[in-house]
Amino acid sequence: GNSVTQMEGPVTLSEEAFLTINCTYTATGYPSLFWYVQYPGEGLQLLLKATKADDKGSNKGFEATYRKETTSFHLEKGSVQVSDSAVYFCALSDTGRRALTFGSGTRLQVQP
Amino acid sequence: KAGVTQTPRYLIKTRGQQVTLSCSPISGHRSVSWYQQTPGQGLQFLFEYFSETQRNKGNFPGRFSGRQFSNSRSEMNVSTLELGDSALYLCASSLEGQGSNTEAFFGQGTRLTVV
Repeated sequence: GNSVTQMEGPVTLSEEAFLTINCTYTATGYPSLFWYVQYPGEGLQLLLKATKADDKGSNKGFEATYRKETTSFHLEKGSVQVSDSAVYFCALSDTGRRALTFGSGTRLQVQP
Repeated sequence: KAGVTQTPRYLIKTRGQQVTLSCSPISGHRSVSWYQQTPGQGLQFLFEYFSETQRNKGNFPGRFSGRQFSNSRSEMNVSTLELGDSALYLCASSLEGQGSNTEAFFGQGTRLTVV
């Protein structure tokens, strides 16, 4: 079946540091890929998405490129802020189940 | 436009009781999905409804059920509650369903605590 693997957290960075959160997936077919963010006490917000190979999703300084050859969708940001502290989830769309399959989430803590 | 609204935000129930959670999707969205989020299991798919029909179901026992009304509002019910049902229950709405490329919008969730 489909699965998503994310790097373990928490990831602790200083403000203005470079961020990478690794995400790899296993899927049949050609799923769409997503990054969601969850702030404390909140639901999930879509951060960015990519629907086909080599697509780059971007939003609020975050970027991720759909790499079919390495089955990866790593999240990057050039300069993190304290306000980016949250839990980040990588997910893929599962056409057969009509559902999202999520990774385990990576907690990011940014210190001033 | 208004987002996805889940009620109530917090619930405390006793083992053996049943509970009903409600979700109002974004206007015009016909697909509503439910997810359970726990520290141990992460985010797990419960079921998805589209135009009042359950199109798919995750690997949860029959104690978990749901329905969708003609106005697309959805409810999920958990009967005979167990301690392990304590979780954040998230509802997501989308135009066509999450198997497509359309974006899923999540509510803030209902935090259920079973004591």
